[in-house]
Amino acid sequence: AQKITQTQPGMFVQEKEAVTLDCTYDTSDPSYGLFWYKQPSSGEMIFLIYQGSYDQQNATEGRYSLNFQKARKSANLVISASQLGDSAMYFCAMREGQSTGKLIFGQGTTLQVKP
Amino acid sequence: DSGVTQTPKHLITATGQRVTLRCSPRSGDLSVYWYQQSLDQGLQFLIQYYNGEERAKGNILERFSAQQFPDLHSELNLSSLELGDSALYFCASSVEAGRISGANVLTFGAGSRLTVL
Repeated sequence: AQKITQTQPGMFVQEKEAVTLDCTYDTSDPSYGLFWYKQPSSGEMIFLIYQGSYDQQNATEGRYSLNFQKARKSANLVISASQLGDSAMYFCAMREGQSTGKLIFGQGTTLQVKP
Repeated sequence: DSGVTQTPKHLITATGQRVTLRCSPRSGDLSVYWYQQSLDQGLQFLIQYYNGEERAKGNILERFSAQQFPDLHSELNLSSLELGDSALYFCASSVEAGRISGANVLTFGAGSRLTVL
């Protein structure tokens, strides 16, 4: 069964507008972590934001925020004030439990920012 | 520069051959993770080493093997290569010390792009 699901293969957003990238997850472990990474066309994987399963507040990092809805098992990434440099592939990932730091990744969403 | 160094950046080889990919983790990181990224399979976790010992295993083929050396660098060996092994291979590292209670963010290297002809 897919543990991390990103249902939007591709998204477009106008420059300076906000965009939400969807991510749902599936786990029975009460302790888990959710991550978002950005992969520009150059190929590197860049960490954006982290949310722990016990965190009460939604995580924020600059223009990135994570809309964490635990009951719905969703961890959507919100990018505010989109910039042309935000055009990239975005991956949602999950770490289950506390015994290993390995991440399971979703299939990714390609975001294109239009000028 | 993420601090995680992967060599070579590009590699072209023929079917049936064997290659070795090398990874030096970020200073202070004890864990190394290997991932394979291909168009049809996405980002697949292969294997993790922590301080020289295998910690977790994913969808790693029997033709593939890895190890982490005392200086914490890691090598991923791919043998009897097939066309389908063409992919971008990432190494990532993290601190991971025992029971993980915080983020333990994985820092990725730039990847090694393998092309099998």
